[in-house]
Amino acid sequence: NAGVMQNPRHLVRRRGQEARLRCSPMKGHSHVYWYRQLPEEGLKFMVYLQKENIIDESGMPKERFSAEFPKEGPSILRIQQVVRGDSAAYFCASSPEGTSPGANVLTFGAGSRLTVL
Amino acid sequence: DQQVKQNSPSLSVQEGRISILNCDYTNSMFDYFLWYKKYPAEGPTFLISISSIKDKNEDGRFTVFLNKSAKHLSLHIVPSQPGDSAVYFCAATDSNYQLIWGAGTKLIIKP
Repeated sequence: NAGVMQNPRHLVRRRGQEARLRCSPMKGHSHVYWYRQLPEEGLKFMVYLQKENIIDESGMPKERFSAEFPKEGPSILRIQQVVRGDSAAYFCASSPEGTSPGANVLTFGAGSRLTVL
Repeated sequence: DQQVKQNSPSLSVQEGRISILNCDYTNSMFDYFLWYKKYPAEGPTFLISISSIKDKNEDGRFTVFLNKSAKHLSLHIVPSQPGDSAVYFCAATDSNYQLIWGAGTKLIIKP
């Protein structure tokens, strides 16, 4: 399966714990985007990364959230000291290098659903 | 500030009939609009798009109409099939990498 792979699919954390969500982009894709979907809402942009570079993190909360896309391995979205309001579905998407990423070239993963108790 | 709005949380349509999903936007800088379809426990998948220089784009059973003066677009599905039951998201971009999404409309096709 050469699609966008996200894991874990479901993650349960208690308040104050850390959550790590992983995303392996589609083969041949070097751009990764993270989106968050809160209940009853649409997806909200969080961060756009290329290998070893954060291009735009304007959608990321200022505290507790961080993202990386190392030279080797998957992109990781890290949430420290989780709170109940972090409960959401987190979607990763990828696109090929050199394309207009706002267009229809985004391929989405199935999402990681975080539940904070 | 919701720049992209889908005012109908859900829509129920008889199989074989036309489904019309609506979307309104406020940002006149948007120049590209997309519809995504999402099944439960899956990620959104791209369905159809339209550039702001056009007013209609058709792909098989799916047609998207854009009315720039009204800042409104709609997705028509005809004839509707049971497999079309899903949540449909409208999204827009100003040629940036940030897609701005509506909240989605759940389409239910009744047999």
